[in-house]
Amino acid sequence: EPEVTQTPSHQVTQMGQEVILRCVPISNHLYFYWYRQILGQKVEFLVSFYNNEISEKSEIFDDQFSVERPDGSNFTLKIRSTKLEDSAMYFCAAPGLAGGGRQYFGPGTRLTVL
Amino acid sequence: DAKTTQPPSMDCAEGRAANLPCNHSTISGNEYVYWYRQIHSQGPQYIIHGLKNNETNEMASLIITEDRKSSTLILPHATLRDTAVYYCIVLLDSWGKLQFGAGTQVVVTP
Repeated sequence: EPEVTQTPSHQVTQMGQEVILRCVPISNHLYFYWYRQILGQKVEFLVSFYNNEISEKSEIFDDQFSVERPDGSNFTLKIRSTKLEDSAMYFCAAPGLAGGGRQYFGPGTRLTVL
Repeated sequence: DAKTTQPPSMDCAEGRAANLPCNHSTISGNEYVYWYRQIHSQGPQYIIHGLKNNETNEMASLIITEDRKSSTLILPHATLRDTAVYYCIVLLDSWGKLQFGAGTQVVVTP
């Protein structure tokens, strides 16, 4: 079953700056997900990515967000121009070998926008 | 995906069984019940899932009622490390997204 890691563990940025959050490495996975959790709130789905294309996205995932698989193993979530309300924990997740609803989450990146 | 209802919180004594209820009265015949937990801002962790039969693994047991409108997650011998928010999620067993609700905050006390 996959081990999911994320970098950085914590990122502080200024409002309006671009940030890139990374899921590394997830070997041999075509499918992965990004979720976020604002402090004190529930975990929210952002986007699912399959075989180098967005499979599904939520209302939160607007034009400021993008996902990529730049080098065949790492997955990235980019926020082009951060806002204060983007401050949250961001989790990536990968499905198990059997697929379905069994997903393995990374430890998360805490994003703080000042 | 069907909506779920869970109590917001519950306490449990260390060493005792914790029984966490979940109501999913609108579940459809091909939807599974999944349980996850989240320990203090860590990534959610899969616990167990089932369709209609009761299931057991090394972490917990899942009891699903015959009409499938509710289920109970059982932690047989709760430890302090089981303190977490527990989420009951219903979805098709496909490659779909997980939709988390508010969950149940479980506090295990010595």
